[in-house]
Amino acid sequence: GNSVTQMEGPVTLSEEAFLTINCTYTATGYPSLFWYVQYPGEGLQLLLKATKADDKGSNKGFEATYRKETTSFHLEKGSVQVSDSAVYFCALRGGMNTGFQKLVFGTGTRLLVSP
Amino acid sequence: SQTIHQWPATLVQPVGSPLSLECTVEGTSNPNLYWYRQAAGRGLQLLFYSVGIGQISSEVPQNLSASRPQDRQFILSSKKLLLSDSGFYLCAWSSGGRDTQYFGPGTRLTVL
Repeated sequence: GNSVTQMEGPVTLSEEAFLTINCTYTATGYPSLFWYVQYPGEGLQLLLKATKADDKGSNKGFEATYRKETTSFHLEKGSVQVSDSAVYFCALRGGMNTGFQKLVFGTGTRLLVSP
Repeated sequence: SQTIHQWPATLVQPVGSPLSLECTVEGTSNPNLYWYRQAAGRGLQLLFYSVGIGQISSEVPQNLSASRPQDRQFILSSKKLLLSDSGFYLCAWSSGGRDTQYFGPGTRLTVL
């Protein structure tokens, strides 16, 4: 079945450091890929998404490129801020052409950014 | 624009008591609706989804149930809570089964 594997956290960085959170997936067909962010005590917010190979999703300085050859969707940001401290979830939705395709989440990676 | 509401925001219940969590969506018609649970330090687990009024699909066996009495209302229930039911419950909606899901603010449930 479909699955998502994320790097374990927490990831601890200083402000303005470069961020990479690794995400790899296993899926049949052509899945869509997502990054969601969860700030403390809140629900999940969609951060970015990509629906086909080589697509790059971007939002708020974050980027992720859909790499089919390496089955990866790594999240990157060039310069993190304290306000980026949150839990980040990688997710995929199955790529079958018909029927309901549920969203499968990774376990989440906590990011802690210090001033 | 579309908004999704959940209540209550937090809930503390004794073991064996009943549960009712409510989720409503505004600004859209015939959404797909979802209930997820996030246990402490873990990822999200899909519990139920619904593609229409009265249509509920269960993903995992458990002592929880879901109902959809109206187009934009989704309710998560239990007759008798267990300690293992503690967690953060998230409702989500999408325009269709293949569209982006948008999440509510969540309900933190503690069973003592």
